[in-house]
Amino acid sequence: DTGVSQDPRHKITKRGQNVTFRCDPISEHNRLYWYRQTLGQGPEFLTYFQNEAQLEKSRLLSDRFSAERPKGSFSTLEIQRTEQGDSAMYLCASSLQITGLRETQYFGPGTRLLVL
Amino acid sequence: GQQVMQIPQYQHVQEGEDFTTYCNSSTTLSNIQWYKQRPGGHPVFLIQLVKSGEVKKQKRLTFQFGEAKKNSSLHITATQTTDVGTYFCVWGYQKVTFGTGTKLQVIP
Repeated sequence: DTGVSQDPRHKITKRGQNVTFRCDPISEHNRLYWYRQTLGQGPEFLTYFQNEAQLEKSRLLSDRFSAERPKGSFSTLEIQRTEQGDSAMYLCASSLQITGLRETQYFGPGTRLLVL
Repeated sequence: GQQVMQIPQYQHVQEGEDFTTYCNSSTTLSNIQWYKQRPGGHPVFLIQLVKSGEVKKQKRLTFQFGEAKKNSSLHITATQTTDVGTYFCVWGYQKVTFGTGTKLQVIP
């Protein structure tokens, strides 16, 4: 399978705990995105990377959230001191950005987080 | 600020009937994309439109981008149960924004 993969697919945690999610993009894709989706809503942009550089962060990304893409390949999203409001599906997407062409984002299956 | 509305929010159709969802923006859009998300699944890219008045077809799906690039539509002819899901219009590049989605239910 050469698509975007995410791990774990499901995570249940207690309020106050830290969680970390991993995303493996399509190989050779230079851009990687994180989104959050709550029930009945469309995905909301959180942040994106071009190679290893984090280029933009949404206001939704509070200080408890941090994302990294250390080698420009896989990425991790960490949530510290989780709150019940963090319960959502966390989606990762990747794309190949080529100058002058309009990119398409390909989504992974998501990590569903439940904070008790 | 920019406001984009997607309508309807829900649509139930009998299998074989047609279905249309609309996205309407208060400002000109540089592009519009359409994604489909099956229940329990992730968004899957369908199409991107960038030109004024553009029309693209994929089998039973027809996508349109308005002349003023302020509205777009997705039309499905003769729906099938496999068409069930939520259809999102999406705009922007890099930091894209998803519309509220139209949830389609097809009754066999």
